[in-house]
Formats: sequence, C-alpha cells, structure tokens
Amino acid sequence: DAGITQSPRHKVTETGTPVTLRCHQTENHRYMYWYRQDPGHGLRLIHYSYGVKDTDKGEVSDGYSVSRSKTEDFLLTLESATSSQTSVYFCAISESTPRGQGIHEQFFGPGTRLTVL
Amino acid sequence: QKEVEQNSGPLSVPEGAIASLNCTYSDRVSQSFFWYRQYSGKSPELIMSIYSNGDKEDGRFTAQLNKASQYVSLLIRDSQPSDSATYLCAVNGNQFYFGTGTSLTVIP
Repeated sequence: DAGITQSPRHKVTETGTPVTLRCHQTENHRYMYWYRQDPGHGLRLIHYSYGVKDTDKGEVSDGYSVSRSKTEDFLLTLESATSSQTSVYFCAISESTPRGQGIHEQFFGPGTRLTVL
Repeated sequence: QKEVEQNSGPLSVPEGAIASLNCTYSDRVSQSFFWYRQYSGKSPELIMSIYSNGDKEDGRFTAQLNKASQYVSLLIRDSQPSDSATYLCAVNGNQFYFGTGTSLTVIP
C-alpha cells in the first residue's frame, strides 16, 4: 500500500458539467500520474507531475487539465465532461528502485469510476 | 504498432499447471519492465520488476527478459485459482507504456 487514496470512488455526471477527481498520497512521492483504463485500450497516460506545479501531458490529454499545488494532492479536471470520458481513472505514484538511474516502479490508487451521461 | 503488445487471451490453465504470459515491446531504449496483476474491479498491483536480460524469480513467479528480441514473459508455477486475473505488461523507456493485458483463468 503506497498510501494513495482517490475521491470520489464513483461519480455519475451529465455531459457538459465540470468534474474534478482528487488523488491524495501520504508518503511524499515526487512523481504522480493520472491514467484512464478502457476495454481494448488498456491503461493510457493522461497527465503526470514531477513536482509541485510541474506537470506535463501524456498520451490522451485532450479535454483534461491537472493541478498540483501541494506534494500530496494531484487533481484531474474535466472542464466539460463528454460521454467519451466515461472510464475508470487511476492515480499512480512512482518510486525509484534501488538501482536509481530514473527507473521507477509505479503503484496505483483504488480508482474512480466515472460515468458521463 | 502499439508500444506494448500482449495476447489478450483468455488463457485457461488447470490448477497446478504453469501459466505462461508473453509481451513484446517496440521501443529499443526501454530499460525497465514490469508485470502487474489486476483483479476484476480492482487497481493494478505490481508483482514483478525486471531490468536485465535473463530470469528473475520471486516465489511462484518468474519473469524473463530478452532485450535483443524485445520480449518479456511471466511464468506462474503451480497456478492457483487465486491467480485468476488480468496480467498487464508495462515498459518504461522515455515513458511508461502498458499492454492491454492477458486474462488468465485457473481452473480448479
């Protein structure tokens, strides 16, 4: 358990409404990630953060924004939710292995199931 | 071409048998390789990491890496019904990439 929580765990919303998902970690990890998981596509990276206020885009960032004002919290915002954003969203943190050299193992939170009607 | 390819299965093996899961990747600069287990409705759980060519064993699990062939595999010995899950291969080069997973069912 890497001390990761996600909230809410389930959410149903309507098309066009803003949605914010929260990832909270308790172990001061530098790197945090947001993924979505869909059948047939696997896990796809949305955005990631390598420190407070330091974020970058992933593979499927369109329609999503993120913020990280504190080490422990990484927020994912859907500015105007669409049905194509119905998915399971996972937050992850990474730790360097004892090898160092930037080799990171990722650990996942419990996930948020989002349904956009 | 996807960065990481896995046979989606389903793969079925009898209890006590060896389950073999395979993964190929396209990025030759990839340095680290991971296997995750995901139960239905749950989050992925890291079960094995491997960084060098050859085999790495941890209990009933053995990961095998062949960088020349860009191939990673996971062997599960003495398979148990509790091993029934989807297994995700992940590769870390310039970015983390996940395969779509192989569904494994262990039949009692």
